[in-house]
Amino acid sequence: RKEVEQDPGPFNVPEGATVAFNCTYSNSASQSFFWYRQDCRKEPKLLMSVYSSGNEDGRFTAQLNRASQYISLLIRDSKLSDSATYLCVVQKKGGSYIPTFGRGTSLIVHP
Amino acid sequence: EAGVTQFPSHSVIEKGQTVTLRCDPISGHDNLYWYRRVMGKEIKFLLHFVKESKQDESGMPNNRFLAERTGGTYSTLKVQPAELEDSGVYFCASSYGEKLFFGSGTQLSVL
Repeated sequence: RKEVEQDPGPFNVPEGATVAFNCTYSNSASQSFFWYRQDCRKEPKLLMSVYSSGNEDGRFTAQLNRASQYISLLIRDSKLSDSATYLCVVQKKGGSYIPTFGRGTSLIVHP
Repeated sequence: EAGVTQFPSHSVIEKGQTVTLRCDPISGHDNLYWYRRVMGKEIKFLLHFVKESKQDESGMPNNRFLAERTGGTYSTLKVQPAELEDSGVYFCASSYGEKLFFGSGTQLSVL
């Protein structure tokens, strides 16, 4: 079983739609969680951290469910510019502190 | 402030040749990571430096890969001899805390 699993998609949605992605992780010792965004042929960039209480940044909402070991990303009112691959990243605190990436979920927002 | 820079951006070599990738992290970032993305697969961890020390190199595929970080500044990743399966995008990332800053990657093609 992969350490971080994501549905690769693609998720094909019209502008204005609400779309949600999930990511599951296998290591219960994982402590920090993030969503990164990667545009085609570019490097990943941090979109947002995911906190236990859930957090929101504009149209983006991230949630963490430790009991079920998954995190989610909700995008409201999708824009064409949201088209990208969304990468789930999980880290353990302490030790070598290696960020582990999921395969990414591809989102395509069309007019 | 300069971001993480990687050189070259693209490299095309023949099987059996040697290639050296370079990464200049953000000044002051003690943590430096190398990752690789093979087409269609997740971004996979290769190794982690803290300053000049290798903290974790569990992701290095085999002894054809050699990474160094001179004086805790820039890092190099040498592949010798290169094999076909080494093709992919090699990303370098640096961090001071939890947030990773990525370089734009080196696209390596081994023919």
